[in-house]
Amino acid sequence: DAGVIQSPRHEVTEMGQEVTLRCKPISGHDYLFWYRQTMMRGLELLIYFNNNVPIDDSGMPEDRFSAKMPNASFSTLKIQPSEPRDSAVYFCASSSEQGWQPQHFGDGTRLSIL
Amino acid sequence: GEDVEQSLFLSVREGDSSVINCTYTDSSSTYLYWYKQEPGAGLQLLTYIFSNMDMKQDQRLTVLLNKKDKHLSLRIADTQTGDSAIYFCAEKEDSGYALNFGKGTSLLVTP
Repeated sequence: DAGVIQSPRHEVTEMGQEVTLRCKPISGHDYLFWYRQTMMRGLELLIYFNNNVPIDDSGMPEDRFSAKMPNASFSTLKIQPSEPRDSAVYFCASSSEQGWQPQHFGDGTRLSIL
Repeated sequence: GEDVEQSLFLSVREGDSSVINCTYTDSSSTYLYWYKQEPGAGLQLLTYIFSNMDMKQDQRLTVLLNKKDKHLSLRIADTQTGDSAIYFCAEKEDSGYALNFGKGTSLLVTP
């Protein structure tokens, strides 16, 4: 079975540019999560969706960040305009409905903002 | 949110056992997980335990849970160089869907 698929794997762009990260969850999973990982702050939950609806976006750092899930097999995380402090590894994860079911992670997008 | 604490670094010799410890503060934690992250990769689920269990064994991995002390440990028997990675402890309430992660323990296995 295919796991969670993220693209691109690496992104290097200049400050001020728009960045779009993509995620395809595992088929049949009802929950999708976006995380950010940095050395200083570890893993931070940014937002999560249930059945394509955003449930909790309290972790989204600023209005520059937005996330969408137009259908069950695709989600985007957009940063506009990007800043150097947004440099991090961004992970997408998905899980199924049952409470104990673990989250399955993609390989992440390493984002560098120059 | 509630805290999940782990020591940051552990070094062991190849063939020895590794024990990675984790403490959590949320008494409502129902499910506890161990994830492994290798360089440049995502988090890979290693094992999990329910709060009504004391121990779970899976090949070289043994998870111990002391619910009274809110202490979780992961023991890796016969540690190999391929076990070098960052190990994350995470907890979740029965009513919740988001995982609360520790900051990870970096395990270094030396020959």
